[in-house]
Amino acid sequence: GQNIDQPTEMTATEGAIVQINCTYQTSGFNGLFWYQQHAGEAPTFLSYNVLDGLEEKGRFSSFLSRSKGYSYLLLKELQMKDSASYLCAVMDSNYQLIWGAGTKLIIKP
Amino acid sequence: GAVVSQHPSWVICKSGTSVKIECRSLDFQATTMFWYRQFPKQSLMLMATSNEGSKATYEQGVEKDKFLINHASLTLSTLTVTSAHPEDSSFYICSARTQGGSDDSNQPQHFGDGTRLSIL
Repeated sequence: GQNIDQPTEMTATEGAIVQINCTYQTSGFNGLFWYQQHAGEAPTFLSYNVLDGLEEKGRFSSFLSRSKGYSYLLLKELQMKDSASYLCAVMDSNYQLIWGAGTKLIIKP
Repeated sequence: GAVVSQHPSWVICKSGTSVKIECRSLDFQATTMFWYRQFPKQSLMLMATSNEGSKATYEQGVEKDKFLINHASLTLSTLTVTSAHPEDSSFYICSARTQGGSDDSNQPQHFGDGTRLSIL
């Protein structure tokens, strides 16, 4: 079966750095997406990785290792507004998105 | 760029009513749009994939006669929940995939703001 695993919840302090991990087992791979979803709102696209390595975009970076079936989202200089759920999604061989359950990130002052 | 508009954002109606939700790509053309449902504290669940000019592809367990999808143009898809019941109350979200040259299959999905549907 297809499976995306990410922690249910994480807590971090304002100004700090946090890494949210995602491991996956899917039938084929055509890229991995990270989305941010604030409570009661729709997801917002953050990043896309299809090749191994680190993609940096401002305070957010995303890393992919296809051989390990692993990705992480790194958030630096955390702000209170970063409190949200972060969804990992993998596109399989049929170009279908397989969604993780999301990681709820709580930022404390 | 890549703005998706979804309307209405909130609907409260009586059981048995049919509700139509619109999803528009405002600044790009979307051959493919997706309809999701999300219950509180749960992950997104894909209901159907909507392709412009053809019939939608429904996920297993989703009743196509109850959730009617129409994708008549490259910028508009609609979802109609027919004869809605309280168990249909949920957060419905559409997304549209931007086009990327000859193949847009791996382009990111951009989401509308969602429609919160409450059936009394």
